[in-house]
Amino acid sequence: NAGVTQTPKFRILKIGQSMTLQCAQDMNHNYMYWYRQDPGMGLKLIYYSVGAGITDKGEVPNGYNVSRSTTEDFPLRLELAAPSQTSVYFCASSYGEGREQYFGPGTRLTVT
Amino acid sequence: GQQLNQSPQSMFIQEGEDVSMNCTSSSIFNTWLWYKQEPGEGPVLLIALYKAGELTSNGRLTAQFGITRKDSFLNISASIPSDVGIYFCAGRWQAGTALIFGKGTTLSVSS
Repeated sequence: NAGVTQTPKFRILKIGQSMTLQCAQDMNHNYMYWYRQDPGMGLKLIYYSVGAGITDKGEVPNGYNVSRSTTEDFPLRLELAAPSQTSVYFCASSYGEGREQYFGPGTRLTVT
Repeated sequence: GQQLNQSPQSMFIQEGEDVSMNCTSSSIFNTWLWYKQEPGEGPVLLIALYKAGELTSNGRLTAQFGITRKDSFLNISASIPSDVGIYFCAGRWQAGTALIFGKGTTLSVSS
């Protein structure tokens, strides 16, 4: 199993541009999550999904959107990139609520 | 909202020393997880704890779910250079809520 995969690894955006961060998992997990990690801070939850077709906001959802059309994929969309969205983004999945989460390798995004 | 206090913030130790770090919460938690993150990588799960008082080992790592359910501890015995990284605790205080992460303990090991 590849586990949780994320693309791209790195990206530089100009203010106002949009992009989609891709996330896929091959563990047949129902639950998937998007986090952002800023220097010296823990992980902040952006959005999560409990199954295909179901998504919900986390702690810091403003400026982001998600969709979950399949069990495997959970893309994160930035519509109008802002410097405050410069961060490292991690996708994670788990097989049940409250169970251990498995993380992807991350996407480092810079908005200038 | 719920918060986790993780300490120490950083540690500088010699190879072979034992390490101890902990997380405390303001509320009772029902899940504690410990992760390690190396530079440029995602967090990797080390140990998962689901019952108060539970003590679980993974090689040289041992973690405990505090009996009060408001804290958890991670110990690393006989540290080696590859233990270097950031260690995060994460916890959940009730069903239907998201995991909360501590800010991490940065471990440096000198040989």
